[in-house]
Amino acid sequence: GQQLNQSPQSMFIQEGEDVSMNCTSSSIFNTWLWYKQDPGEGPVLLIALYKAGELTSNGRLTAQFGITRKDSFLNISASIPSDVGIYFCAGLTSGTYKYIFGTGTRLKVLA
Amino acid sequence: NAGVTQTPKFQVLKTGQSMTLQCAQDMNHEYMSWYRQDPGMGLRLIHYSVGAGITDQGEVPNGYNVSRSTTEDFPLRLLSAAPSQTSVYFCASFPGRLAGGPDEQFFGPGTRLTVL
Repeated sequence: GQQLNQSPQSMFIQEGEDVSMNCTSSSIFNTWLWYKQDPGEGPVLLIALYKAGELTSNGRLTAQFGITRKDSFLNISASIPSDVGIYFCAGLTSGTYKYIFGTGTRLKVLA
Repeated sequence: NAGVTQTPKFQVLKTGQSMTLQCAQDMNHEYMSWYRQDPGMGLRLIHYSVGAGITDQGEVPNGYNVSRSTTEDFPLRLLSAAPSQTSVYFCASFPGRLAGGPDEQFFGPGTRLTVL
């Protein structure tokens, strides 16, 4: 089945560092969502993007909707230990009701 | 609002048994979905619904049935459980811009199912 390519798959970073991850697709999407999942919990919505080129922030998180509409990026600034978890991107094509999910980026922060 | 709720939180079944995973939302969302999450696989869509009485198959529908008799409830039925259905199951909902709301999809806490 179709899934988005999300990279990196996992990363270790030092506390205080900035983090970047991205999601790419062969299909065009009209909506991009970014989620964070903590162990044993359901994914929690971080940021929603609706327009190509849109840049949206939520605290230390900033996400961008790629101009081609086939990619999206998430940046986390000044990482802290509670940023640990799995980050998922999800895309929605216009006229459909099915979100396609990336395979996730596992973030581990070294204190 | 309770958001999206799921029961049970954990379940162990024997091969061949049937059961229903419950999902409910109190946000009046039109669209509801069921996903399964396996290690390293991300989230895969099982079935989804665009409104009461309307359901459709997702990416991995075999072995599962759904129905949507009300806007609030979207149960997932396992007809004859198999070890390959051991997974974590998530229910999700979103209002949909056609319904006048954003496309922000919210998840329940999940049901962890083991089939022996």
